Amino acid sequence: AQTVTQSQPEMSVQEAETVTLSCTYDTSESDYYLFWYKQPPSRQMILVIRQEAYKQQNATENRFSVNFQKAAKSFSLKISDSQLGDAAMYFCAYRKLQGAQKLVFGQGTRLTINP
Amino acid sequence: GAGVSQSPRYKVAKRGQDVALRCDPISGHVSLFWYQQALGQGPEFLTYFQNEAQLDKSGLPSDRFFAERPEGSVSTLKIQRTQQEDSAVYLCASSAQSYNEQFFGPGTRLTVL
Repeated sequence: AQTVTQSQPEMSVQEAETVTLSCTYDTSESDYYLFWYKQPPSRQMILVIRQEAYKQQNATENRFSVNFQKAAKSFSLKISDSQLGDAAMYFCAYRKLQGAQKLVFGQGTRLTINP
Repeated sequence: GAGVSQSPRYKVAKRGQDVALRCDPISGHVSLFWYQQALGQGPEFLTYFQNEAQLDKSGLPSDRFFAERPEGSVSTLKIQRTQQEDSAVYLCASSAQSYNEQFFGPGTRLTVL
């Protein structure tokens, strides 16, 4: 079974600084998707960024980028120029490419932005 | 357009009561997922529908949990004889197809006393 691990329960960063959230996963599949979701206090889960495992290039979305290390099964999220609105729970998630389409989530990292 | 909606947003039940949680997916979305999120944890998969067919219910924790989507649109998650360990946020997500991005609703917070 696939597992996703986020080893940082909480992180904090100064506004305008850069922060990196860590995620590791375990799978025997060669092709799959990885995601970072943001969950603000309103609870609505929002997709931040996604990475296809068969793509070597790291995904980027504006201030958000990932460092995908397939051999190490590592998938970290870098947030540049942190803003107060970035404060939320961040979840790393895995999904198979074929077959069952359910998301497997990590335990989450609570990100605090200090003004 | 409207996103995924869930009702009620909050539900308090006495232990032993039955509850029904509703999910309205984005119109036209074929796939619908239910997840359970315990306090301070990541969501965990419960069940998955493609149209009205329940294709995966491997995550349902016991036979007290039952989900349906009779017309391939609205879905209901029913929990019978609720227990304290059922207290959690129940998230619903829908996607255009099973392999597309999942859009989440705001969740229903269930508290069992």
